[in-house]
Amino acid sequence: KAGVTQTPRYLIKTRGQQVTLSCSPISGHRSVSWYQQTPGQGLQFLFEYFSETQRNKGNFPGRFSGRQFSNSRSEMNVSTLELGDSALYLCASSLDSFSTDTQYFGPGTRLTVL
Amino acid sequence: AQSVTQLGSHVSVSEGALVLLRCNYSSSVPPYLFWYVQYPNQGLQLLLKYTSAATLVKGINGFEAEFKKSETSFHLTKPSAHMSDAAEYFCAVTDRGSSNTGKLIFGQGTTLQVKP
Repeated sequence: KAGVTQTPRYLIKTRGQQVTLSCSPISGHRSVSWYQQTPGQGLQFLFEYFSETQRNKGNFPGRFSGRQFSNSRSEMNVSTLELGDSALYLCASSLDSFSTDTQYFGPGTRLTVL
Repeated sequence: AQSVTQLGSHVSVSEGALVLLRCNYSSSVPPYLFWYVQYPNQGLQLLLKYTSAATLVKGINGFEAEFKKSETSFHLTKPSAHMSDAAEYFCAVTDRGSSNTGKLIFGQGTTLQVKP
């Protein structure tokens, strides 16, 4: 089975722009979670989608949004980019949405905001 | 709020020595616990998880962890370190409550260095 894929792998944007990141989960997985990883804050949960519905949300401003499509693929969008949004964005998929489910991570998208 | 503490941001061991990476959780109700490893420029890979079955959990690559409720700990061990174990290790928890599905809470990570 193919793993979780994320596109693009690298992005460079300037302040004020917006960006869309894509995540394709493992086939058959219905839950997708997104995380931001920075040297200062570590790994922080952004949101989780299950069956096209946002089920859980982390403590991030409204500039961060996401969605999930009927094939479970997910996108996250960041509007009005700030320098502090520079980070590795990881998505993870799991079979269902139980707390015991293993989350399988993609390689991440490295976003640099100039 | 639930939190995870990993003691030691950097741990250095010699090849063949015991690896011990420490993790403590904060909640009074035992959560579900996970250890992940991250190699440079890669995503996270699950090493093992505890979900209320046996307290001693065996994972991949010779790693294991023991859940100790009295100490609120879930330390990761490996009897003999290999050069390929050099990476960053993350302890994570999820709450048992259904309102927190899909949300892993991570510790700050421990970088393991293995010296030849």
